[in-house]
Amino acid sequence: AQTVTQSQPEMSVQEAETVTLSCTYDTSESDYYLFWYKQPPSRQMILVIRQEAYKQQNATENRFSVNFQKAAKSFSLKISDSQLGDAAMYFCAYTSNDYKLSFGAGTTVTVRA
Amino acid sequence: KAGVTQTPRYLIKTRGQQVTLSCSPISGHRSVSWYQQTPGQGLQFLFEYFSETQRNKGNFPGRFSGRQFSNSRSEMNVSTLELGDSALYLCASSLGQGYNEQFFGPGTRLTVL
Repeated sequence: AQTVTQSQPEMSVQEAETVTLSCTYDTSESDYYLFWYKQPPSRQMILVIRQEAYKQQNATENRFSVNFQKAAKSFSLKISDSQLGDAAMYFCAYTSNDYKLSFGAGTTVTVRA
Repeated sequence: KAGVTQTPRYLIKTRGQQVTLSCSPISGHRSVSWYQQTPGQGLQFLFEYFSETQRNKGNFPGRFSGRQFSNSRSEMNVSTLELGDSALYLCASSLGQGYNEQFFGPGTRLTVL
C-alpha cells in the first residue's frame, strides 16, 4: 500500500516570504503522479500543482514550485511571495494506476500580514 | 463549464438511519470518486466509478456503498449510521482515462447524532 507522509502539521510564513512544505511517500511503483492540493476554510479542494514521476523536470505553476526527488521519494512544495490568500491546509497526494488518490495528513499554512 | 456539484451540502441524521449523498460530475467526465474527510483519519478513499462500474474500493465496511448512473452522476449510501460516520464527504470527477486531474466538489457535511 502506498503511504504519504507530511511531517509538518503547521507552518507559518510572513507575507511576501517563502515557505516550503515537506512530503515523502512510499511506493514500489515506477509510474505514478504526485499532487499538491489546497483546501481553504471553504473546504473546496483545489489542485495547486502536479508532477509526473517520469518527468525529471520539477513542475512550476506561477508562485508554486516543487522539488521532486524520485530516489528519495520526496516531493516538497515551495510557495514564493506568499499572499494572504495562500492561507489554507495543503495536502500532498499520490496516485498510480489504481484510480484513487492517497493523501497525506495535511499541513496548515498561516500567512502573517 | 459547471463544476462538480454535491447535494445536499449539509445533513443531520441520527444513529441507525441511512443516508444517500449525490454527486454530479463535470460535463464529459466519466469517473467519479468519493472520499471521506475526518479530523482523526484525514482524507480516505471510499470508491471510484467509471462508466457505471466500480474500479476500486477503499477499506470501508459494507455499510458504505455507491453507484453510478448512465449520465455519470453518482450516489453513495451509508446504512445504519454510526457516530463515527460524521464527516465531510467529498466527490471528485475526472475524465477517467489514464491519469487525469480530479476536480473536487464542495462536499457534503454529514453529522450523525
